[in-house]
Amino acid sequence: DAKTTQPNSMESNEEEPVHLPCNHSTISGTDYIHWYRQLPSQGPEYVIHGLTSNVNNRMASLAIAEDRKSSTLILHRATLRDAAVYYCILRLPGGGADGLTFGKGTHLIIQP
Amino acid sequence: NAGVTQTPKFRVLKTGQSMTLLCAQDMNHEYMYWYRQDPGMGLRLIHYSVGEGTTAKGEVPDGYNVSRLKKQNFLLGLESAAPSQTSVYFCASSYAVRASDTQYFGPGTRLTVL
Repeated sequence: DAKTTQPNSMESNEEEPVHLPCNHSTISGTDYIHWYRQLPSQGPEYVIHGLTSNVNNRMASLAIAEDRKSSTLILHRATLRDAAVYYCILRLPGGGADGLTFGKGTHLIIQP
Repeated sequence: NAGVTQTPKFRVLKTGQSMTLLCAQDMNHEYMYWYRQDPGMGLRLIHYSVGEGTTAKGEVPDGYNVSRLKKQNFLLGLESAAPSQTSVYFCASSYAVRASDTQYFGPGTRLTVL
């Protein structure tokens, strides 16, 4: 699987937008970009995913660079409940029955 | 709809003891997974199953065995626990394994081996 690079940690203020970057310079043309997050003492939960176009859902937005070598997860108005580790994961075209490849992710700290 | 549940939530074992972790899902998902997460690290895949009666090894399978006798259940066994198996164990399931599919995770089992 192609590798992703994320900052170890980021800090933001409550009620402000947060932009979490992810670099994936070796992404192939058909890899999907997935984001999961893990709240303290919980299992990971799905946030959003995309292929080429920007995506929006009730939790977040995903902005994908035109060359697909990077992407940004956008939390439009962060709350204290958004404090978590955020993982950017690439999925092969066939998906792969062999699970998700997690890196260390970005630890997002939200200040009140 | 409970999603993915795991039993037990916490367990302390002595070296050499055995135990079984149970994962159950009520979403009729075909695929199930066991991961472990060590402090400060991402999750690593132990074993996975692509359907009832089938299992396969993941990235870190040594010291673990699994069984999938029923579609909704996926069991993870430790035959002779070692301190290196102290970790948090997560189970997950997914409907299919297309690149666009998502995985649903359980709350985890925190295991300590003394």
